[in-house]
Amino acid sequence: DVKVTQSSRYLVKRTGEKVFLECVQDMDHENMFWYRQDPGLGLRLIYFSYDVKMKEKGDIPEGYSVSREKKERFSLILESASTNQTSMYLCASSSSPGDGLYGYTFGSGTRLTVV
Amino acid sequence: LAKTTQPISMDSYEGQEVNITCSHNNIATNDYITWYQQFPSQGPRFIIQGYKTKVTNEVASLFIPADRKSSTLSLPRVSLSDTAVYYCLVGARMSYGGATNKLIFGTGTLLAVQP
Repeated sequence: DVKVTQSSRYLVKRTGEKVFLECVQDMDHENMFWYRQDPGLGLRLIYFSYDVKMKEKGDIPEGYSVSREKKERFSLILESASTNQTSMYLCASSSSPGDGLYGYTFGSGTRLTVV
Repeated sequence: LAKTTQPISMDSYEGQEVNITCSHNNIATNDYITWYQQFPSQGPRFIIQGYKTKVTNEVASLFIPADRKSSTLSLPRVSLSDTAVYYCLVGARMSYGGATNKLIFGTGTLLAVQP
C-alpha cells in the first residue's frame, strides 16, 4: 500500500527550539507539500517542492523553512519554535504532470505543541 | 485557483442520502472540481473528481450543472463512519512544477451522522 509517512504523531517542544518534521513517501512522487491545519482555518499551505532541491513558498511560509535533499523525503523546519506554531502539520505528495487535484496522498499528521 | 464556499456543518441520520453543495462562481474553463474527505486525526483523502454533468464511483456521486458554478457531492445511505469533514476544491490540471501545482483547501463541511 502506498504511503506518506510522517515521523511523529505527537511532538511537544519548547519555545525557541529548532524543530524538524520529517515526511517520507514511497510512491516516487515528484511533488511534496507541507500544510498546517487549525480549527476554523482549514488547511493552509506552508511550502511545497516539485523536485529535489526545489522549493516554493505557499501561503504562510513565515517562520518555516524546508529541505528536500532526496526525492522521497521532505522536511519542515521551524527555526525557532513559537507558541503560535502549535498546530497539526500534514505532509502530502503527488505525481507530476497531469494529476491536477487528483491523486494527492496525505500522511496522518504530526500534532505539534509548543510550550 | 477559484474560491469555494460550502456550508460549515451538516447533520444527518444513518441510512439517509446526504447532499453537500459547493459554490464556485469564478470557476475557470480548465478547472476541475474535486472533493476530499478527512477523518479526525488523519490526512484528507480523495473521494471524487469531475468536470461537468455527473460522475459516480463506489463512494459518492458528483453533480455539476451546465454553468459549473456549483457542484453537489451526494453520499448515498450514510453510516456513522461517514462522519468527517468534506472539502470541495477547484483548480486546473497542474502543469509540470510551478505555482499552479498545489491544493488550496477551504474550511470544509463537517458532516455529523447520528444513529
